[in-house]
Amino acid sequence: AQTVTQSQPEMSVQEAETVTLSCTYDTSENNYYLFWYKQPPSRQMILVIRQEAYKQQNATENRFSVNFQKAAKSFSLKISDSQLGDTAMYFCAFMNPPNFGNEKLTFGTGTRLTIIP
Amino acid sequence: EAGVVQSPRYKIIEKKQPVAFWCNPISGHNTLYWYLQNLGQGPELLIRYENEEAVDDSQLPKDRFSAERLKGVDSTLKIQPAELGDSAVYLCASSFGGSLEEQYFGPGTRLTVT
Repeated sequence: AQTVTQSQPEMSVQEAETVTLSCTYDTSENNYYLFWYKQPPSRQMILVIRQEAYKQQNATENRFSVNFQKAAKSFSLKISDSQLGDTAMYFCAFMNPPNFGNEKLTFGTGTRLTIIP
Repeated sequence: EAGVVQSPRYKIIEKKQPVAFWCNPISGHNTLYWYLQNLGQGPELLIRYENEEAVDDSQLPKDRFSAERLKGVDSTLKIQPAELGDSAVYLCASSFGGSLEEQYFGPGTRLTVT
C-alpha cells in the first residue's frame, strides 16, 4: 500500500519569506499523481497544486511550486513571498492512476504552517 | 457557484445513538466522496460514488456505517450505533468526472461522541 510521510508537524515563517514543506512517499508504481492540499481553520480543503509523475517539469501555481524528485520519492512544496492567508494545515497526497483499482487519495499527516506578521 | 454544502457543522451525541450527515455536492458533479478525518491526521476515504453507484466502499465499516445517494445528487452518511472512537470530522467532496478531476471539499461535520 502507498504511504505518504510528512516529517514536519509544524513550521512557522515570517511574512514575505519563503518556506518549503517536505513530503516523501512510497510506491512501486511508475505512474501516479501527487497533490498538495491546504486546510485553513474553516476545515475546507483546497487544492494547491498537482504533479503527474510522468512529467519531469515541476508544477508551478503563482507563488506555489514543487520540487519533484521521482527517484528519491520526494515531493516538497515551496511557498514564495508568504502571506498571512497561507496560515493553514498543508497535506501532501498520492493517487494511483485511474483504472488501477486503487485510485483514491492517500494523505499524509499534515504540516501546520503559521505565517508570522 | 455554490460550493459543497454539508450539515450539520457540529454534532454532539451520546454513544450508542444514531447520527446522520448530509452533503449536497456542487451542481453537475457526478462523483461524490465521503472522508473521515481524525484529529491530527489527513482525511481517509470512506466511500466514493459515481452518480448513484458506490464504486469504492472498501474502507467503510459496514457494521455500523451506511451511506446512500439515491438520485445521484445529495448524499447521507449514517452511523448506528455511534462509538466514542467515531469522534472526528466527516468531510464530503465532489468532482466533475472521474477521480483525476479536482475534488472540491465541503467544510465538514465535526462529530463528538460522549
